[in-house]
Amino acid sequence: KAGVTQTPRYLIKTRGQQVTLSCSPISGHRSVSWYQQTPGQGLQFLFEYFSETQRNKGNFPGRFSGRQFSNSRSEMNVSTLELGDSALYLCASSLLVQETQYFGPGTRLLVL
Amino acid sequence: KNEVEQSPQNLTAQEGEFITINCSYSVGISALHWLQQHPGGGIVSLFMLSSGKKKHGRLIATINIQEKHSSLHITASHPRDSAVYICAVRSGSGAGSYQLTFGKGTKLSVIP
Repeated sequence: KAGVTQTPRYLIKTRGQQVTLSCSPISGHRSVSWYQQTPGQGLQFLFEYFSETQRNKGNFPGRFSGRQFSNSRSEMNVSTLELGDSALYLCASSLLVQETQYFGPGTRLLVL
Repeated sequence: KNEVEQSPQNLTAQEGEFITINCSYSVGISALHWLQQHPGGGIVSLFMLSSGKKKHGRLIATINIQEKHSSLHITASHPRDSAVYICAVRSGSGAGSYQLTFGKGTKLSVIP
């Protein structure tokens, strides 16, 4: 069974631009969560989706948004990029909410 | 807000040694996760537990709910165990109303 895939793997943007990251969960998994990892803050929870509904959101500004499609694929969007948004963005999927999560390889975003 | 503290921050061990990594948190939780992150970013979920003890191969995770403390043990450590180990706790009530908080991680290096 294929694992969680994330595209793109690497991305360079400039301040003020917006970016969309994509996550394809393991087949059959209905829950997708997004995380941000930076050297300073470590791992932080962004949001979780289940059956196309956002179930919970971490403490991030409204510039960070996401959605989930009927096939469970998910996207997250960051608008008006700031230098501090440079990070590794990780997606994880699970069969249901609050079950063991399987992580994708991440998208490394650099904002210049 | 739940505070998650891991110790030690860095750990160097000789191959074959028994290793313990600790995680303490400040408020009640519904579940605790242990994650392993290898250089390059890939994260693997090792355990999810809410009580007692779980074992998988050479890895053992325990949790004491009353003391708000969990330990991850590695028996007969091997250089391939070298990674960052991250503790994460899920706190809150009800589906869709929780916070997932991560520790800063413990960097383990196992020397042959």
